[in-house]
Amino acid sequence: AQTVTQSQPEMSVQEAETVTLSCTYDTSESDYYLFWYKQPPSRQMILVIRQEAYKQQNATENRFSVNFQKAAKSFSLKISDSQLGDAAMYFCAYRSARYNTDKLIFGTGTRLQVFP
Amino acid sequence: ETGVTQTPRHLVMGMTNKKSLKCEQHLGHNAMYWYKQSAKKPLELMFVYSLEERVENNSVPSRFSPECPNSSHLFLHLHTLQPEDSALYLCASSQDVSLLDRPYEQYFGPGTRLTVT
Repeated sequence: AQTVTQSQPEMSVQEAETVTLSCTYDTSESDYYLFWYKQPPSRQMILVIRQEAYKQQNATENRFSVNFQKAAKSFSLKISDSQLGDAAMYFCAYRSARYNTDKLIFGTGTRLQVFP
Repeated sequence: ETGVTQTPRHLVMGMTNKKSLKCEQHLGHNAMYWYKQSAKKPLELMFVYSLEERVENNSVPSRFSPECPNSSHLFLHLHTLQPEDSALYLCASSQDVSLLDRPYEQYFGPGTRLTVT
């Protein structure tokens, strides 16, 4: 069974600085997708970035980028030029590409605080 | 605003009550989902519906009963719940149930904070 681990329950960053959130996962599959979701205090979870395991190039979305290390089963999220609006819970998630399923397996989340 | 709404936002119910959670999506999507979010635990997928047909049921107790009358609405009927069922219940929708090579993005609602007393 696949598992997703986020070992940092809380992180903090100064506005305009860079912060990296960690995520590791365990799977025996070779094809899968990885996601980072953001859940602000309003609670509506939104997709931040996604990575296909077969792609070696790290995904990037504006200030958000990932460091995908397939051999190490690591998928960290880097937020550059942090803004106050980045404060939220961040969830790492895994989805198998092997089966026709929508089951997203989530980590326990990291709460990010952004200080002015 | 993501186009997925949930009502009520907060609900307190006793263990013998019967209540329903409602989810509505205004995005023209075909798939809808129920998730349970408990404190310090990973988000858990409960049910998946595609075109009003249940396609996934992840060993959820029968005291949770989903209903999908059409592709825009999803209900979660609750009865004889336990205190450990207290959690945030999130609804999500996506264009379709994902294909092998194309995981459709899921759009989440704001959730219903459920407290069982």
